[in-house]
Amino acid sequence: NAGVTQTPKFQVLKTGQSMTLQCAQDMNHEYMSWYRQDPGMGLRLIHYSVGAGITDQGEVPNGYNVSRSTTEDFPLRLLSAAPSQTSVYFCASSNRGRNEQFFGPGTRLTVL
Amino acid sequence: AQKITQTQPGMFVQEKEAVTLDCTYDTSDPSYGLFWYKQPSSGEMIFLIYQGSYDQQNATEGRYSLNFQKARKSANLVISASQLGDSAMYFCAMREGVNSGNTPLVFGKGTRLSVIA
Repeated sequence: NAGVTQTPKFQVLKTGQSMTLQCAQDMNHEYMSWYRQDPGMGLRLIHYSVGAGITDQGEVPNGYNVSRSTTEDFPLRLLSAAPSQTSVYFCASSNRGRNEQFFGPGTRLTVL
Repeated sequence: AQKITQTQPGMFVQEKEAVTLDCTYDTSDPSYGLFWYKQPSSGEMIFLIYQGSYDQQNATEGRYSLNFQKARKSANLVISASQLGDSAMYFCAMREGVNSGNTPLVFGKGTRLSVIA
């Protein structure tokens, strides 16, 4: 199993550009989520999904879109990047009845 | 409202000594799970230990133990016999709904542990 994979590892954008951060898992997990990590702020939940076709907002959803068309994939879209979105982004997944949440390696995004 | 509080931004410990990292939480759900993750300088999130609200005994995993005091709503991580490789950020997290993989994990702001030789 590859676990949770994220691409790209690093990305630099200009203000106003759009991009999609990819997240995939091969563990057949129902639950997937996106977090952003900023210095001194811990990990804050952006969006999450409890299954294909179902998504919900977390603590800091503004400026981000998600969709979940398959169990495996949960992409995060930035429609118009802003410098405030400079952060490290983590995708995570888990299953019902399993307590551990598995994390991807993270994507470091810089918006200039 | 913040549900997880880690009051120690940074901690120092001598190698081979034990250290306690504090975590308090807030929830009205009687069924919840508490987690600790380690984030070394390389950036990955490493799961350390889990405690369910209905678990009768404190969780232990090797050198890690969780000092669970339900009435005080605290879930402190104890690392015994610290090693240089324990230097990292440590995050406490909570999920409401025991055995539910489908609720968000909420994190504290973390504690940076530095182990001194």
